[in-house]
Amino acid sequence: DGGITQSPKYLFRKEGQNVTLSCEQNLNHDAMYWYRQDPGQGLRLIYYSQIVNDFQKGDIAEGYSVSREKKESFPLTVTSAQKNPTAFYLCASSIDGVGQGSPLHFGNGTRLTVT
Amino acid sequence: DAKTTQPPSMDCAEGRAANLPCNHSTISGNEYVYWYRQIHSQGPQYIIHGLKNNETNEMASLIITEDRKSSTLILPHATLRDTAVYYCIVRVYNTDKLIFGTGTRLQVFP
Repeated sequence: DGGITQSPKYLFRKEGQNVTLSCEQNLNHDAMYWYRQDPGQGLRLIYYSQIVNDFQKGDIAEGYSVSREKKESFPLTVTSAQKNPTAFYLCASSIDGVGQGSPLHFGNGTRLTVT
Repeated sequence: DAKTTQPPSMDCAEGRAANLPCNHSTISGNEYVYWYRQIHSQGPQYIIHGLKNNETNEMASLIITEDRKSSTLILPHATLRDTAVYYCIVRVYNTDKLIFGTGTRLQVFP
């Protein structure tokens, strides 16, 4: 089945360590996105990429980095510069970007806990 | 920025229709309205989207007012599994960004 795979589901790290969250899609979608969700809150956009080798900052990009070397992969690195990294991280993709009326399809998220 | 307003919570009896309202008075003329739902600790699930006309699929119906300033998501026969947080979203004009608010928590009761 086609879909978006985020791994691992739960991730634990010590403060000061960088950590990379994986996101893979086999939907052949051009656009991919990373969102962060805190308890009781909506989703906030971290980074997005409309094509390979290109990406843009979202609303809360500080302390995060991404790469888009392959169409199917969009890993997110949470760096030690991120002040409050503990959160639920969601990856999504769309066929050609929401500007074209294409909906987002989400993975099931990675819950990161930093202590 | 494009913005939506939804009631924080609603209740619905099982088997009845659930009507979830959304206000998006600042929507631009060519922007879609998207609806998603999220069950605890899962990724949001796409439900439906529309531009001007009413839309229906196997999950729900979307009614958009003629002036496009508001819309209603209709779950025709709510079940207990429809208990979730429902998000109404519009795109930030001239970008590829969708902005999620805090949504409506729908509780379906027996």
